[in-house]
Amino acid sequence: KAGVTQTPRYLIKTRGQQVTLSCSPISGHRSVSWYQQTPGQGLQFLFEYFSETQRNKGNFPGRFSGRQFSNSRSEMNVSTLELGDSALYLCASSLRGTPNYEQYFGPGTRLTVT
Amino acid sequence: GDSVTQMEGPVTLSEEAFLTINCTYTATGYPSLFWYVQYPGEGLQLLLKATKADDKGSNKGFEATYRKETTSFHLEKGSVQVSDSAVYFCALSDRGRRALTFGSGTRLQVQP
Repeated sequence: KAGVTQTPRYLIKTRGQQVTLSCSPISGHRSVSWYQQTPGQGLQFLFEYFSETQRNKGNFPGRFSGRQFSNSRSEMNVSTLELGDSALYLCASSLRGTPNYEQYFGPGTRLTVT
Repeated sequence: GDSVTQMEGPVTLSEEAFLTINCTYTATGYPSLFWYVQYPGEGLQLLLKATKADDKGSNKGFEATYRKETTSFHLEKGSVQVSDSAVYFCALSDRGRRALTFGSGTRLQVQP
């Protein structure tokens, strides 16, 4: 079974631009979560989508948004990029119905804002 | 809110040494506990998990026991290999919030 895939793997953007990242979950997984990883703040939860609806949200500004499609694929968008948005963005999928809620991560998209 | 505290790294060991990485947590309710590993340039891989008190998770020679009385989930391995060099993250999941809370990560360096 294929794992979680994320595209693109690397991105370089300029301040003020916007960016869209894509995530395809493991087949059969309907929950997709996004995390930001930076050296200073570590791993922080952004949001979770299930059945095309945002179910949970972390403490990030409204510039960070996402959506999920009917095939469970998800996209994350960051508008008006700031230098501090440079990070590794990780997507994780899971079977939301399980009580253990173990998540499986993709390789990440490395975003650099200049 | 929920939080996870890990020992600071890097932890440097010789091959075949015993490994312990300490992890303690603060949470309301009864979270599930996880250890994830991140190799250079890659995402996170689930290493092991435990879902209730006294559960022991194990995988690839690594073990961790869910200790509710001490709110701990320390990672151990009896004999590390160079290939175990990576960053290890302790995490908990709050079933109500359905999001992982991670520790800051501990870098392990194993020397031949």
